[in-house]
Amino acid sequence: DTGVSQDPRHKITKRGQNVTFRCDPISEHNRLYWYRQTLGQGPEFLTYFQNEAQLEKSRLLSDRFSAERPKGSFSTLEIQRTEQGDSAMYLCASRPTGAYEQYFGPGTRLTVT
Amino acid sequence: DQQVKQNSPSLSVQEGRISILNCDYTNSMFDYFLWYKKYPAEGPTFLISISSIKDKNEDGRFTVFLNKSAKHLSLHIVPSQPGDSAVYFCAASAYSGAGSYQLTFGKGTKLSVIP
Repeated sequence: DTGVSQDPRHKITKRGQNVTFRCDPISEHNRLYWYRQTLGQGPEFLTYFQNEAQLEKSRLLSDRFSAERPKGSFSTLEIQRTEQGDSAMYLCASRPTGAYEQYFGPGTRLTVT
Repeated sequence: DQQVKQNSPSLSVQEGRISILNCDYTNSMFDYFLWYKKYPAEGPTFLISISSIKDKNEDGRFTVFLNKSAKHLSLHIVPSQPGDSAVYFCAASAYSGAGSYQLTFGKGTKLSVIP
């Protein structure tokens, strides 16, 4: 039973560069979420997919952020023109139909210098 | 405006004693509540949950209590063990039009269990 995986685990980038993160959910989970967590805060919702459809986006998801789930399996989160304020832990979670519990991956820690 | 509040940033408990972590919420539309445990450099791990139609749910050493009228829930861990030392997040879920049931988290309480 493999859990949610995320790649890379750590990313250091210079301000203005683009970065892309990948999430592989638990295979039978058709619902996928991205969250962002900054120091001293709980995770904050960014966006939600049901299968390949992106159905909900938070106001935190500025136009520099884009997320995809092209085949309803893995998902990518891209941040364009990174800013220092984007430094955070980016968490992916998945959920099966009929359950409320979300299962989180280990996260990708982004540092923008 | 924080909809889920964990007012104690930290808690220290002796091994074998009870740990009680508290959480308050303001949004009356929340209908499902969850507790997650997080170790450093790892993602949150689901611990236990409770539906708004119940007032108690128990799983081994972990019990969650819900007081809807007070908009308050608590997580009891008994007996506490050193391996329970972690940050505990309270989270709440409500139906949205898109059906996401996104989670709204508190800021967490760091539990230290002292041997």
